[in-house]
Amino acid sequence: GENVEQHPSTLSVQEGDSAVIKCTYSDSASNYFPWYKQELGKGPQLIIDIRSNVGEKKDQRIAVTLNKTAKHFSLHITETQPEDSAVYFCAASTGRGGGADGLTFGKGTHLIIQP
Amino acid sequence: DTEVTQTPKHLVMGMTNKKSLKCEQHMGHRAMYWYKQKAKKPPELMFVYSYEKLSINESVPSRFSPECPNSSLLNLHLHALQPEDSALYLCASSQDLLRTQYFGPGTRLLVL
Repeated sequence: GENVEQHPSTLSVQEGDSAVIKCTYSDSASNYFPWYKQELGKGPQLIIDIRSNVGEKKDQRIAVTLNKTAKHFSLHITETQPEDSAVYFCAASTGRGGGADGLTFGKGTHLIIQP
Repeated sequence: DTEVTQTPKHLVMGMTNKKSLKCEQHMGHRAMYWYKQKAKKPPELMFVYSYEKLSINESVPSRFSPECPNSSLLNLHLHALQPEDSALYLCASSQDLLRTQYFGPGTRLLVL
């Protein structure tokens, strides 16, 4: 099955600086890669996603890049703010086909924004 | 509206109890999911329903029994759980294959 590795497990940055979180996946058939933000006591919230026919996608301060050849994708957050502090999960579709697919998640990155 | 609702928010049950978790969405999504999330861990897929039929069962013990009464509702029936089943149970829905999954807030379950 799919295996998703995520690094780092904890990332502390100064407010206003950029943060980068990286993930790799194992299944070359995976073709959908969402990123979720999870705050304490809440469910995961989608912040951005990318499909394998696109190399980069941007939404205001958040961007995601995908390298299919190397099987890795990254989340970039610029001009970080205190409210960006949370746990971030990358994920990949299981790519089974034939119906709805579940997601395989990375282990998560605890992002801490220092004021 | 991208809201998935889950009830109850919290549940405490003994190992001999029978209880049910409920999930509801009114976005017209045809795929619904159950995930289990232990503390400081990522969500793990349990079940997938597609067009009200069970599509994926990730080798989940039979003490967890999913049910999809209609396209808007998803239940998870619990019976004879173990303390190690204590976790946050998340429901999600998506429009169709490989579409964005939207998560509910979860039910925090404690098994005593």
